[in-house]
Amino acid sequence: GAVVSQHPSWVICKSGTSVKIECRSLDFQATTMFWYRQFPKQSLMLMATSNEGSKATYEQGVEKDKFLINHASLTLSTLTVTSAHPEDSSFYICSAREPPPGILKNIQYFGAGTRLSVL
Amino acid sequence: DAKTTQPPSMDCAEGRAANLPCNHSTISGNEYVYWYRQIHSQGPQYIIHGLKNNETNEMASLIITEDRKSSTLILPHATLRDTAVYYCIAPAGGTSYGKLTFGQGTILTVHP
Repeated sequence: GAVVSQHPSWVICKSGTSVKIECRSLDFQATTMFWYRQFPKQSLMLMATSNEGSKATYEQGVEKDKFLINHASLTLSTLTVTSAHPEDSSFYICSAREPPPGILKNIQYFGAGTRLSVL
Repeated sequence: DAKTTQPPSMDCAEGRAANLPCNHSTISGNEYVYWYRQIHSQGPQYIIHGLKNNETNEMASLIITEDRKSSTLILPHATLRDTAVYYCIAPAGGTSYGKLTFGQGTILTVHP
C-alpha cells in the first residue's frame, strides 16, 4: 500500500507556543488528506478534511483559527496548533486518500501519528 | 455513515483463525464496508473493504452476508502482532465522501 509519513512523531512544547505537524504522501499524490485527533482510550475523531489548493473543511466544534491546515502541494499537508494549551495534548494522525484511478476505492492511508504534549 | 456495532473485545489463540463480527443493519445499497486496525500508539492500517461480494487479500478475508446487514473479518492464522483495535466502518457517500467515522472497534488480543 501507499506510504504516508508524519513528522514529528513526538513533540513537547510550552503552553502558548505553536506547533507544526507535517504529513507527506511519499509515493503518490494526494489531493485530499485528513487530520484526526485521538485522546487516550478513545477512538479517532476527524478534525478536518484538507484539499490541495483550497481551504480545509473543519468538523463541527473544531476551531479553524486554532488548528491551521495548509495543503499547498499534492504531497504535503501541515497542521499547526496555534497557542497550544495543555488540553490540546493528544495524538494527532493524518491520512491521505488513494489517488486516481483508485480514488473510488476510498481507501485512506495513515501516518504513524504525532504525540503532542503541552506543558 | 451507517451505524456499525462491534463487540468491545475478543481473544484468539495464536495460529488460530480470528473471526471479528460487525453489524451494519442500516447500511444502504451503495455503502461499502471497510476494515481498519490500529496497533497501539500507531496510525490505523487499512485491511480490506467490500460491497456485497466476499473479498480476500494477503491480510484477511471479508465475508458479507447476502442481506449486507453484517460482515465478518477473518484473520486466518492470527499472530501476536495482530493484537490491535479493529474498526468496521461503513462511510456514507455524497458530500461525506471520504470521511471515516471511527467507533470504538473491537480490541483483539492474540495470546500464545
